[in-house]
Order: sequence, then C-alpha cells, then structure tokens
Amino acid sequence: QKEVEQNSGPLSVPEGAIASLNCTYSDRGSQSFFWYRQYSGKSPELIMFIYSNGDKEDGRFTAQLNKASQYVSLLIRDSQPSDSATYLCAVKGFGNEKLTFGTGTRLTIIP
Amino acid sequence: GAVVSQHPSWVICKSGTSVKIECRSLDFQATTMFWYRQFPKQSLMLMATSNEGSKATYEQGVEKDKFLINHASLTLSTLTVTSAHPEDSSFYICSAISVQTQYFGPGTRLLVL
Repeated sequence: QKEVEQNSGPLSVPEGAIASLNCTYSDRGSQSFFWYRQYSGKSPELIMFIYSNGDKEDGRFTAQLNKASQYVSLLIRDSQPSDSATYLCAVKGFGNEKLTFGTGTRLTIIP
Repeated sequence: GAVVSQHPSWVICKSGTSVKIECRSLDFQATTMFWYRQFPKQSLMLMATSNEGSKATYEQGVEKDKFLINHASLTLSTLTVTSAHPEDSSFYICSAISVQTQYFGPGTRLLVL
C-alpha cells in the first residue's frame, strides 16, 4: 500500500515570509513527484513537478526532492495572501500509473 | 499546461434520476482519465480509472453499476451517476494525463434533492 504523508495543518505564515510544506512517501519505486494547490471549492491545479534529486525552482516556488530520505518539500518565498490554499503532494510510479495523493496541508498566509 | 474541461459545472437533480458528466481533454489526447469525488473538507477520493476503448477500473467500494464510465474517444470520458440519491451529492472531478503529468478539470458540483 503506497502512502503519502503530509501534515494537515493548518500552517500559518506571515505575509512575505517563506512557507515550507513537507511530504514523505513510502514507495521507494516512486518516480515522479507533484505539488498541487487547491483553493476552497475548486479543483486542484498543478504547481510543480520534480523527478530528480535536488531543487527545482519556478518563480516563488521551489520543490526539493530527496529520494534517499523519501522526502519532498515545497517552499513558497515571499508568501502572499493569495497563496492561502490546501497544498496536495502526489507521487507516481512509471508511465500512466495513477497518482497517490497525500491528504493535503492547509496553508494560511496572514496579512 | 494541458487543459481539461468538464460539463456541466454544476447540476441539481431529483432523487432517482440519472446525471451524466462529461470530461474532455481540449488540447491533447488522453488514453487514461481518472474520476475523483470530494466531499466538503475531505480529501480527494479516486473513484475509477477510465481507459479509452476498454472497461474502467473501479476502486474498492465504488459501485460500477451506479457510476457508469464510458471512455469512447481519446478526448472524452463520461461519468453517469445512475439513480442518484442525496448521499451522492458531492464535487466530482476528472483528471487526464498529458506527458506523464496529471491535469484536473474544474469539477462538477452535484446536488441531489
């Protein structure tokens, strides 16, 4: 049984600070790692994906992957109130295999 | 990124009726689509995997005769909720794979009275 663990939060971060979201996964065979953002009442939208160990940056977002520790994180720099949402971590094996989602971390940016 | 659409965005129906929800991949072909359901303040729950030209694979506990899935083309999958009851009221979201990345549709909110 593949598992993806996230702290459910809520995580409160002051506006302008760095928000750090963490995720661990159980299946060492996982190949692809994704972060989705879901606003209340909306469907998830893809923020970033990462396949290789290390950091991947896209604007204010940085995804970090450590396969040895089975750990993936998402950093949000210069947090804005519009970043307040639930962030879902998801992992996948090969090909078109379905994603395994964590339960999500609710992030609140405090103005 | 790839675009997935759903129709309708919301629907209200009477108990006992059937409701069909369409999921389309607009700018890519999707051999695999997924259907999720989400109740308020709860996590996404995968209902089934829809494969073009073959039968859908349902997750444990999901009634295949109640939630009919048809994936007749590479850009369209449909979910029909048959004989809907109030407990079927939920947010139904489809998802499709493009370049090994999963993209979600905007969701369909179903209210069964």
